Amino acid sequence: RKEVEQDPGPFNVPEGATVAFNCTYSNSASQSFFWYRQDCRKEPKLLMSVYSSGNEDGRFTAQLNRASQYISLLIRDSKLSDSATYLCAVKRNNNDMRFGAGTRLTVKP
Amino acid sequence: DGGITQSPKYLFRKEGQNVTLSCEQNLNHDAMYWYRQDPGQGLRLIYYSQIVNDFQKGDIAEGYSVSREKKESFPLTVTSAQKNPTAFYLCASRRAGQNQPQHFGDGTRLSIL
Repeated sequence: RKEVEQDPGPFNVPEGATVAFNCTYSNSASQSFFWYRQDCRKEPKLLMSVYSSGNEDGRFTAQLNRASQYISLLIRDSKLSDSATYLCAVKRNNNDMRFGAGTRLTVKP
Repeated sequence: DGGITQSPKYLFRKEGQNVTLSCEQNLNHDAMYWYRQDPGQGLRLIYYSQIVNDFQKGDIAEGYSVSREKKESFPLTVTSAQKNPTAFYLCASRRAGQNQPQHFGDGTRLSIL
């Protein structure tokens, strides 16, 4: 079993839709959690950190459930420009980071 | 501008050849990382370093070597022992602290001739 798992998708949604991604992690000692966005043939870029109480940044909402060991990302009012692969990342207590394989999102007109 | 610079952007390796990928950061970050990404796959950790002159193996260190002689530099050598080196290589760095994220360079694409 991989340490960080994501549904690979693809998720194909119309503009304006709300879409949610989940990511599960197996190491209960994991300390910090992040969502990254990766465009085709580019490097991942930080989208947002995930805080214990949940956090929101515009149309994006991230949540953490430590008991069930998953994090989620909700995108409201999807834009064409949201089309990308979304990677979740988990920092372990020895300071290394593990990434999920990513969930691919395509937003269509 | 502050950032992480990887070079070259594209690299070709001949059979039996060692090649070195450069990663330099001027962000004064303590930790640096190397990942490999294959098409349609996630990032796999090769090596990471939390301080100068110290580094740890990640999940796929075989066939790779690193050094960390300076805080700002973390070069990766892909040795001839790595039989399937074709991939997208990403270098990242992060500031010390529990909730600090990683930031990435724009990557090096390595292909075998």
